[in-house]
Amino acid sequence: AQSVAQPEDQVNVAEGNPLTVKCTYSVSGNPYLFWYVQYPNRGLQFLLKYITGDNLVKGSYGFEAEFNKSQTSFHLKKPSALVSDSALYFCAVRDPGGGNKLTFGTGTQLKVEL
Amino acid sequence: DTAVSQTPKYLVTQMGNDKSIKCEQNLGHDTMYWYKQDSKKFLKIMFSYNNKELIINETVPNRFSPKSPDKAHLNLHINSLELGDSAVYFCASSQEFIAGGSSYNEQFFGPGTRLTVL
Repeated sequence: AQSVAQPEDQVNVAEGNPLTVKCTYSVSGNPYLFWYVQYPNRGLQFLLKYITGDNLVKGSYGFEAEFNKSQTSFHLKKPSALVSDSALYFCAVRDPGGGNKLTFGTGTQLKVEL
Repeated sequence: DTAVSQTPKYLVTQMGNDKSIKCEQNLGHDTMYWYKQDSKKFLKIMFSYNNKELIINETVPNRFSPKSPDKAHLNLHINSLELGDSAVYFCASSQEFIAGGSSYNEQFFGPGTRLTVL
């Protein structure tokens, strides 16, 4: 069965500093990995995905993520955080052998402070 | 133009009642989903339909019955509501199949329906 772990419930970072939101996954085959963001009282918005190809994936709003197969990780990063990045971030995995089922992590609350 | 829309946005009802949530997508996608997000923000898939055909049915009480009248609409009917059904329900859509196989495209989410059962 596929699963995703986001080990940090909350990440605090100062505006202008780099940020990292961690994600590790478990699937039976090659994973398809996604990051979504949820602002308060809103639906989830897609940020980026890794399907195949380059391990460094660039997405919306200056975010990027690095796929690391040996560490089964897909950490979300941004070189310089903004206060407006404060939101709930979800990592998700899709097992190619598992149909179109997307399994989400428990979410990480990112708080960017001035 | 809203890509994935849900009605109502808020739903407050008594235990034992029956209620429905509607979802529509204007993206031309072939697959739609229902997710439940609980009070701890855990997000779990409930159902998935592809071209009106049920393809994912997670372990959900049979009080929950999805219906897809066409590929642009996926409604969720809940019978005999219980306190534990209180949550935010999200509809989503994606284009799953393209010529030659699956696309693995991202899903687009609606704004959510906050259901409160009293």
